[in-house]
Amino acid sequence: QQPVQSPQAVILREGEDAVINCSSSKALYSVHWYRQKHGEAPVFLMILLKGGEQKGHEKISASFNEKKQQSSLYLTASQLSYSGTYFCGTAHEDLNNDMRFGAGTRLTVKP
Amino acid sequence: NAGVTQTPKFQVLKTGQSMTLQCAQDMNHEYMSWYRQDPGMGLRLIHYSVGAGITDQGEVPNGYNVSRSTTEDFPLRLLSAAPSQTSVYFCASSYSMVGGGALNYGYTFGSGTRLTVV
Repeated sequence: QQPVQSPQAVILREGEDAVINCSSSKALYSVHWYRQKHGEAPVFLMILLKGGEQKGHEKISASFNEKKQQSSLYLTASQLSYSGTYFCGTAHEDLNNDMRFGAGTRLTVKP
Repeated sequence: NAGVTQTPKFQVLKTGQSMTLQCAQDMNHEYMSWYRQDPGMGLRLIHYSVGAGITDQGEVPNGYNVSRSTTEDFPLRLLSAAPSQTSVYFCASSYSMVGGGALNYGYTFGSGTRLTVV
């Protein structure tokens, strides 16, 4: 029931773009995205509710495809501060308040 | 605001010992949860609560107990520590919709407790 994230890791140069995908085998109610720096707690980035909306947060945006049961996180013109591990969390209508997280995508941005 | 406060930050236990990980939030969030994080496995849900007096099991509840007597506090108890419980533990809280359902709001995480069981 845990979502599957891809890729597991990505290395970028400053200014490059990246896409992180999150897919579920069950119908999604909402998708959360978090970023975690090494040794720190995960920090909330954005939430997408079913309905296929897209949201943005500075140069980070996300989409939610309800039919495909997946979400994608887009990082454009990456900065050094974007480095960290990105997690998606998925909630399903039949699981009440039980949110599961993917294994994470480690993003490294180099100068 | 302090947000979500977890104590202790580090703990070493011997196999078979018991202990309580503390979690407190000052944001009046109804929803609180405990996750453990192991390398390569992301965050796994242990227990959660949608309000005082209400708790439920998550994905990996065995060996852990919780209770929720107040809105602010959600302690996690390890009954008899085992090496497999060596992990980083995070507490998280969130607003809850009327009638339940915390899934429309982002989670605020505590800074974590690094637990080693020897």
